[in-house]
Amino acid sequence: AQSVTQPDIHITVSEGASLELRCNYSYGATPYLFWYVQSPGQGLQLLLKYFSGDTLVQGIKGFEAEFKRSQSSFNLRKPSVHWSDAAEYFCAVDGNNDMRFGAGTRLTVKP
Amino acid sequence: KAGVTQTPRYLIKTRGQQVTLSCSPISGHRSVSWYQQTPGQGLQFLFEYFSETQRNKGNFPGRFSGRQFSNSRSEMNVSTLELGDSALYLCASSLRPGQGSYGYTFGSGTRLTVV
Repeated sequence: AQSVTQPDIHITVSEGASLELRCNYSYGATPYLFWYVQSPGQGLQLLLKYFSGDTLVQGIKGFEAEFKRSQSSFNLRKPSVHWSDAAEYFCAVDGNNDMRFGAGTRLTVKP
Repeated sequence: KAGVTQTPRYLIKTRGQQVTLSCSPISGHRSVSWYQQTPGQGLQFLFEYFSETQRNKGNFPGRFSGRQFSNSRSEMNVSTLELGDSALYLCASSLRPGQGSYGYTFGSGTRLTVV
């Protein structure tokens, strides 16, 4: 079965700085890949998804992610972080209709 | 288009009681999945329903059950509540089983506290 690893439990960045959240997956083929964001006390919101084609995908709120098959990674990036981006971010993998979520990375944004 | 609606938002129950949570998916979505989210275990898959049939089930005891109605609304039930059942229960809807290329749409969750 597939698995997802988010190596960073907590990241702190300054407002206006760039951001990269890491995600590595394990699966025999190319799965469907997703990033979700969760604000406190809320459900998860889909930021972006990859299932084929261009390996650089654009999402909502200015986020993008790059699929790298050779590294089994799907890292999330944003060039300039806003205070409202403070939240928890989850990477997810769907292989053969079996969805797995990473443990999440909590993002803190310093003024 | 209305989103995924979960009711109630908050619930406090006593150990040993049972609880029923409700989820109404996005109109046209026929698949509903349930997740339990806790600080220690993260997001754990409970079960998935499609066309009133349980399609997939996670590794939870039989105290956790669910069902789906003909209008795609789903309920989950937890019997004989334990303190460890305190969690945020999230419902996610999708067009069809699994996510494929679609992704889930999540509700805001039901926060269950067992005392």
